[in-house]
Amino acid sequence: GAGVSQSPSNKVTEKGKDVELRCDPISGHTALYWYRQSLGQGLEFLIYFQGNSAPDKSGLPSDRFSAERTGGSVSTLTIQRTQQEDSAVYLCASSLAVAGGSYNEQFFGPGTRLTVL
Amino acid sequence: GDSVTQMEGPVTLSEEAFLTINCTYTATGYPSLFWYVQYPGEGLQLLLKATKADDKGSNKGFEATYRKETTSFHLEKGSVQVSDSAVYFCALNTGNQFYFGTGTSLTVIP
Repeated sequence: GAGVSQSPSNKVTEKGKDVELRCDPISGHTALYWYRQSLGQGLEFLIYFQGNSAPDKSGLPSDRFSAERTGGSVSTLTIQRTQQEDSAVYLCASSLAVAGGSYNEQFFGPGTRLTVL
Repeated sequence: GDSVTQMEGPVTLSEEAFLTINCTYTATGYPSLFWYVQYPGEGLQLLLKATKADDKGSNKGFEATYRKETTSFHLEKGSVQVSDSAVYFCALNTGNQFYFGTGTSLTVIP
């Protein structure tokens, strides 16, 4: 079946504008994760969803960042009043719960490369 | 809290050399452990995994053994190829959360 998809693949915006990034997880995957990967850096956890709720928002860098998930499927990550330091690749991943409540692995989307001028 | 620490790079090896990338973890429960790989210009993909102590994950000639006594999951390959050039991420899963290391860049030269 289809993997995790993200759109747009590239986004160039001006400082101060709002942007919306979209993630379509694998059908049936209950967990959805957002990460940020800056040039030469590792993965920075932003937020994860279990169903439509977000038990852990601790990774969101500031109140300019928000995310939602509807219907247990598509998620959008919104960055308001973008700053140059927001430039990065934003990765989405989804995962399916297995027995015992743990997760087997994450499947990653190709990412959205955000450039803030 | 739970975390993963992996060897910093970059690592440069000649073709057919032996590879070890160290990864240690801290976890309160019994995590599953993973190695992900990111080839140039591509997304992250699972390389191998181990879900309990003493399990060995293997794929594409890479191996890693889940060592509970040393809280480690070191990645090894006996003979690297140019096509193995990539960034490698160690990760653990406990409950709903995944924790990733900072990644180790590997370059294999002919």
